[in-house]
Amino acid sequence: QKEVEQDPGPLSVPEGAIVSLNCTYSNSAFQYFMWYRQYSRKGPELLMYTYSSGNKEDGRFTAQVDKSSKYISLFIRDSQPSDSATYLCAMVGGAQKLVFGQGTRLTINP
Amino acid sequence: NAGVTQTPKFRILKIGQSMTLQCAQDMNHNYMYWYRQDPGMGLKLIYYSVGAGITDKGEVPNGYNVSRSTTEDFPLRLELAAPSQTSVYFCAAGYSGNTIYFGEGSWLTVV
Repeated sequence: QKEVEQDPGPLSVPEGAIVSLNCTYSNSAFQYFMWYRQYSRKGPELLMYTYSSGNKEDGRFTAQVDKSSKYISLFIRDSQPSDSATYLCAMVGGAQKLVFGQGTRLTINP
Repeated sequence: NAGVTQTPKFRILKIGQSMTLQCAQDMNHNYMYWYRQDPGMGLKLIYYSVGAGITDKGEVPNGYNVSRSTTEDFPLRLELAAPSQTSVYFCAAGYSGNTIYFGEGSWLTVV
């Protein structure tokens, strides 16, 4: 079983829709939870990070963590074509190893 | 991408050749990582370091070596290149485990 599971998609939604991206994990030692955005042929870009259960909001993005269910989500409101990218969840445990999900390829259609 | 520089950006190697991918950061961060990303896949950890003089294996270390003699530099060495090492390689650095920034990537083809 992979430590972090993420549906690779692809996911295609119309402009303005609310997007929900999700990951599950199996390692209870994970302490920090991150979301990265990666455009084609570019390095991953850190979007948000959280370390406790609950919600964290930053503009149109909301990160949600449920440690009891080992489930994290990223919501994108009022999605824009410029949000089209691959979104990767990532987690860090006690050994400071950053472990990634497979990534979900998202397309926002104008 | 904040302060992580990778060289070269593109390289073609012949089977059996060796090379070093360079990674430098100017942020004085303790943590540095090397990942590889195959087409349509997530990032797999090759090696990481929590400070100068300390390195540890990740998920896919075979065929690679690293060193961390200074805080700034974390080179990745490929010995006896194989076609399976054709990939995009990303270096990352961070002050703590939760704010980690990536370089632009190095595209490697082994033929």
